[in-house]
Order: sequence, then structure tokens, then C-alpha cells
Amino acid sequence: KAGVTQTPRYLIKTRGQQVTLSCSPISGHRSVSWYQQTPGQGLQFLFEYFSETQRNKGNFPGRFSGRQFSNSRSEMNVSTLELGDSALYLCASSLVLAGENEQFFGPGTRLTVL
Amino acid sequence: AQSVTQPDIHITVSEGASLELRCNYSYGATPYLFWYVQSPGQGLQLLLKYFSGDTLVQGIKGFEAEFKRSQSSFNLRKPSVHWSDAAEYFCAVGTGNQFYFGTGTSLTVIP
Repeated sequence: KAGVTQTPRYLIKTRGQQVTLSCSPISGHRSVSWYQQTPGQGLQFLFEYFSETQRNKGNFPGRFSGRQFSNSRSEMNVSTLELGDSALYLCASSLVLAGENEQFFGPGTRLTVL
Repeated sequence: AQSVTQPDIHITVSEGASLELRCNYSYGATPYLFWYVQSPGQGLQLLLKYFSGDTLVQGIKGFEAEFKRSQSSFNLRKPSVHWSDAAEYFCAVGTGNQFYFGTGTSLTVIP
């Protein structure tokens, strides 16, 4: 079975731009979660989608949004980028709801905001 | 509120020495417990998990962890560390509703 894939792997943007990151979960997995990882803040939960519905949301501003499609693929969007948004963005998929089973992580998208 | 604590931010061990990474959680019931490892610039890989049953669980790469309900702990151990074990280790808790990660422990292995 193919693992979790994330595209692109690397992105460079400038302040004020917007960005869309994509995540394809393991086949059959219905839950997709997104995390932001920075050296100072560690792993921070952004949101979780299950069957196209957002189940949980972390403490991030409204500039961070996401969605999930009927094939469970998910996208995350960040609008009006700020320097502090530079981070590794990790996607994780789970067979059932996150919190009830292990999550499988993708390699991440490294976003650099200049 | 639920939380996961990894009290050691950084640990240095010699190759061949034993290792124990600490993890404590705060949750009213018995959660699902996990240990993940992350190599630089990579995603997280699951080392082992505990859902129920035997409180000593075996994982990949020679790691094991023991769930102690009375101490709300799930410490990770390895009897003999290899240089390739140098990485960041995260303890995680699943409560059924959400997943919580600890802040991580960075492991350095010296020859």
C-alpha cells in the first residue's frame, strides 16, 4: 500500500501570498489531520477532516483553512502569508477517527515565507 | 485538560548504552498511547502503540514501552542504542476525540 503523500515537498513564497498544500492519505483511510511543526513551537494541531467534514480545529487564525474531498484527499490553504508561517506542514491519515487509532504521516511540505 | 509531557528536551547517550525516554499524560481514562520517531526533515514514523492488554509493548527497531496506569506514564526503552537511533522522539495520546503530542525529546548518540 502506498503511504501518505504530500505535494509539493518544498515551497517558497513571499509575505502576503497564499498557498495550497495537498495530501493524499493511505487508501481506505478516511481521516486526515494537519500539523504545523516549527523549532520553537513543536507539533501543533491545525485541523482534522473525516468524511469531508472538519471534526476538530486547533488554535490557528482563520487564514488557515482546509477541506477534504470525497476520495479523502485533503488540501490545506494559508492566505496572506506571514513570515511566521514558515514551517514543516505534516499531514497524517488514519483509518478511523484520529484519537482512536494510529496516524500515518507523510514526509511533509517545507514552506518558507520570505 | 488533556496533556502529554516529555520532561527531557534533549538526551545524549553513548552508542551501546541503554535508553529510556519519559512520557507522562493527563487524561481521565486510559488513552491510546503511541511513540513516534522523526529523522531530520522527515515525517513521523510509528515506533509502537498501546491500546489495551499487556502493558509492555514491543515496537520496531528494538524499542519497547511500558504503560504504567498508576503513574500515567508510557516510557520508551531500548537496551542498546545504535548511532542510527539519533532522532526526535514524540510521545502521543489518543483520547478518542483527538490526538495530542508531547513536545518531543531529541536524542544524540555519541560513538
